[in-house]
Amino acid sequence: DARVTQTPRHKVTEMGQEVTMRCQPILGHNTVFWYRQTMMQGLELLAYFRNRAPLDDSGMPKDRFSAEMPDATLATLKIQPSEPRDSAVYFCASGSQRRHNEQFFGPGTRLTVL
Amino acid sequence: AQTVTQSQPEMSVQEAETVTLSCTYDTSESDYYLFWYKQPPSRQMILVIRQEAYKQQNATENRFSVNFQKAAKSFSLKISDSQLGDAAMYFCAYFSYNTDKLIFGTGTRLQVFP
Repeated sequence: DARVTQTPRHKVTEMGQEVTMRCQPILGHNTVFWYRQTMMQGLELLAYFRNRAPLDDSGMPKDRFSAEMPDATLATLKIQPSEPRDSAVYFCASGSQRRHNEQFFGPGTRLTVL
Repeated sequence: AQTVTQSQPEMSVQEAETVTLSCTYDTSESDYYLFWYKQPPSRQMILVIRQEAYKQQNATENRFSVNFQKAAKSFSLKISDSQLGDAAMYFCAYFSYNTDKLIFGTGTRLQVFP
């Protein structure tokens, strides 16, 4: 049963600390998306990659957020330094243009910044 | 820019009954995809159904069906024979070929009563 995996599932950290979230997309999917979900803003697209190349990161605060895809099986989202307003659930999703652009979501990382 | 509107923040239905969730969108594109995602309390985003804009036939997946009105830019979800497990947040989403982005509505919380 192919699925997107994300680690960690939960993260509590203090303001100013670095946070790294990891995502393993479904094998064979060539697009990877990072979303953030909050009560106030709903689901926001932060960044996405196609064939490991970053295509759009306009939704991401540039000064503290960075997203990379070091290989086809791993995508990372890093926040440095973290702030309380970054508290949210971060979802990774993967998809394929050959599969009608459906996006399959991981279970999310719930981040709490104190 | 495309927008997706879900005007019903909450809906409720009795078990075994039918409920319809509304979604409208705004776009100048002629080809796109539309999706409904379900998010239960576990937070996992689950794809429920998709519709390709160039197809006139409404999509159906078991108890879930859509009423796609392209001219009216409306994409409602009908859940027949509602079950307790259908209780969740439901998000309508628009996929743009131009931007490669999935744009989500604000969601409708569905409660199912026994």
